[in-house]
Amino acid sequence: QKEVEQDPGPLSVPEGAIVSLNCTYSNSAFQYFMWYRQYSRKGPELLMYTYSSGNKEDGRFTAQVDKSSKYISLFIRDSQPSDSATYLCAWGSGAGSYQLTFGKGTKLSVIP
Amino acid sequence: DAGITQSPRHKVTETGTPVTLRCHQTENHRYMYWYRQDPGHGLRLIHYSYGVKDTDKGEVSDGYSVSRSKTEDFLLTLESATSSQTSVYFCAIRRAGSTDTQYFGPGTRLTVL
Repeated sequence: QKEVEQDPGPLSVPEGAIVSLNCTYSNSAFQYFMWYRQYSRKGPELLMYTYSSGNKEDGRFTAQVDKSSKYISLFIRDSQPSDSATYLCAWGSGAGSYQLTFGKGTKLSVIP
Repeated sequence: DAGITQSPRHKVTETGTPVTLRCHQTENHRYMYWYRQDPGHGLRLIHYSYGVKDTDKGEVSDGYSVSRSKTEDFLLTLESATSSQTSVYFCAIRRAGSTDTQYFGPGTRLTVL
């Protein structure tokens, strides 16, 4: 079983829609959870970070973590064309080399 | 902006030639990482460093070597480039005091013909 599963999409939504992006993981050692946003031909940029189960909000973005189900989600409200990018989920164990495990990314297009 | 630059930003080379990519940071971070990103594979760790002259292998280290003689510079070398090493290479740093968050550079697009 792969450590991280992420639907690659592509996902296309109309402007203003609510977007839901999801990842599952299998390694119980993962303690920290992140979402990165990557625009075309750019480096990934950190979007959201959390370490506990529950919801964390930042503007139009909400990160949801369910450690018991090993499931994380990113919700985007009132999606904008500027949200068109690839979204990567990532996990860390908070120890040792502080390595991250990444999902393969979901490509999102928000159509005006 | 994490103060990371990568050079060159684009490179085309031929099979069998050596290639060195440079990652430079301005904020004195201890941990630095090299990744490659390929369609269908996502980001994969090649090597990382936890201090000057302290490096270790990642998931896909075969065919790559690294060096870190100064805190600010982390070099990735392809001793004899192959077409399978055509990829986009990203450098990342971990900020002191954070846990597992990493911040990425702009990337180097390498094509091996």
